[in-house]
Amino acid sequence: GQQVMQIPQYQHVQEGEDFTTYCNSSTTLSNIQWYKQRPGGHPVFLIQLVKSGEVKKQKRLTFQFGEAKKNSSLHITATQTTDVGTYFCAGVTGNQFYFGTGTSLTVIP
Amino acid sequence: KAGVTQTPRYLIKTRGQQVTLSCSPISGHRSVSWYQQTPGQGLQFLFEYFSETQRNKGNFPGRFSGRQFSNSRSEMNVSTLELGDSALYLCASSFGGGGETQYFGPGTRLLVL
Repeated sequence: GQQVMQIPQYQHVQEGEDFTTYCNSSTTLSNIQWYKQRPGGHPVFLIQLVKSGEVKKQKRLTFQFGEAKKNSSLHITATQTTDVGTYFCAGVTGNQFYFGTGTSLTVIP
Repeated sequence: KAGVTQTPRYLIKTRGQQVTLSCSPISGHRSVSWYQQTPGQGLQFLFEYFSETQRNKGNFPGRFSGRQFSNSRSEMNVSTLELGDSALYLCASSFGGGGETQYFGPGTRLLVL
């Protein structure tokens, strides 16, 4: 069945270091979305990627969608303590979401 | 616009009992999806309702059921609770579903003893 794998599961970084999480789908996606969940909070939408090879930036965050529309990445440059939380990718195929397992980011001040 | 609201926020039940959780979507949103979140399993999709009809269903036993009302509010019911049902239950709304951006509520944290 449809699966979306996300790695790593956990990441600890020193403040100021970069961070990347990767998402891989077993099938081609119509779009991929990224969500952030702060500790004790709920997932909040960050961005949607639709086109093959698409790259979008939000300040220090860079999102990429693979050419085959099966993988995606989120890269954070120079992490800050406000970046702490779990980042989820959500692959969309047909009209259904398939959430990745999430990457929990800890930023050490 | 008010966000997605869920009630109750916290709930303690015992094994064998049943529970009903409620979700009010953002005004104008017609799609409501439910997810179970546990530390080891991430976000697991339960079902999606659109215009009072269940449109998609995840891989959960029949003890988990839901419904949607004409005002798009949705309820989720879990019967014969098991210890493993302890989780954060999140609902998310979107205008039309079908892969649109989802707006999550704060969740209901259920503890089964």
